[in-house]
Amino acid sequence: GQQLNQSPQSMFIQEGEDVSMNCTSSSIFNTWLWYKQDPGEGPVLLIALYKAGELTSNGRLTAQFGITRKDSFLNISASIPSDVGIYFCAGRLDTDDKIIFGKGTRLHILP
Amino acid sequence: NAGVTQTPKFRVLKTGQSMTLLCAQDMNHEYMYWYRQDPGMGLRLIHYSVGEGTTAKGEVPDGYNVSRLKKQNFLLGLESAAPSQTSVYFCASILGLAGARYNEQFFGPGTRLTVL
Repeated sequence: GQQLNQSPQSMFIQEGEDVSMNCTSSSIFNTWLWYKQDPGEGPVLLIALYKAGELTSNGRLTAQFGITRKDSFLNISASIPSDVGIYFCAGRLDTDDKIIFGKGTRLHILP
Repeated sequence: NAGVTQTPKFRVLKTGQSMTLLCAQDMNHEYMYWYRQDPGMGLRLIHYSVGEGTTAKGEVPDGYNVSRLKKQNFLLGLESAAPSQTSVYFCASILGLAGARYNEQFFGPGTRLTVL
């Protein structure tokens, strides 16, 4: 079946550092979505991308829709303590209406 | 505007019992989704619906049934619960129609289910 490969699985960084994570797949997507999930909560949408090559920012977050439509990345600049959490990529397949998720990147920030 | 709500928030079942999880959205969204989340597995799609009266299987549909009798509600049923169905269940919805922000997916707060 379709899969999204999200990496890295976890990251340990210093406060103030930049962060980069990505998702890849063998399937083609017409939408890429990036979420953050805090403990005990549902995922919250950070950025939605609709076109190949699209680069979108939301504050310190920037995400891009890959040209091949099979990948996407998320960057966080100048990390702060409240960035801690699990980040998920998700994509809506071009062939049907499923929205499937990667396994997440757990971000830890060292004081 | 409450967004996406889920009922109940917590539930403990014994093996073999049945139950129904309710998801409701007041955003007039066409598409609704049920996911389960297990540690280290991300969110896996169980079933989804692209409109009132329609349902389709996702990645892990076995052991679950769904119904979408009304546009605003999406029910997830477990006919005979098993310990492997212990998980956190999330419902989500999207507008689904072409236009601005049509694929932005909004999630409910989750239902934590334990099957003993």
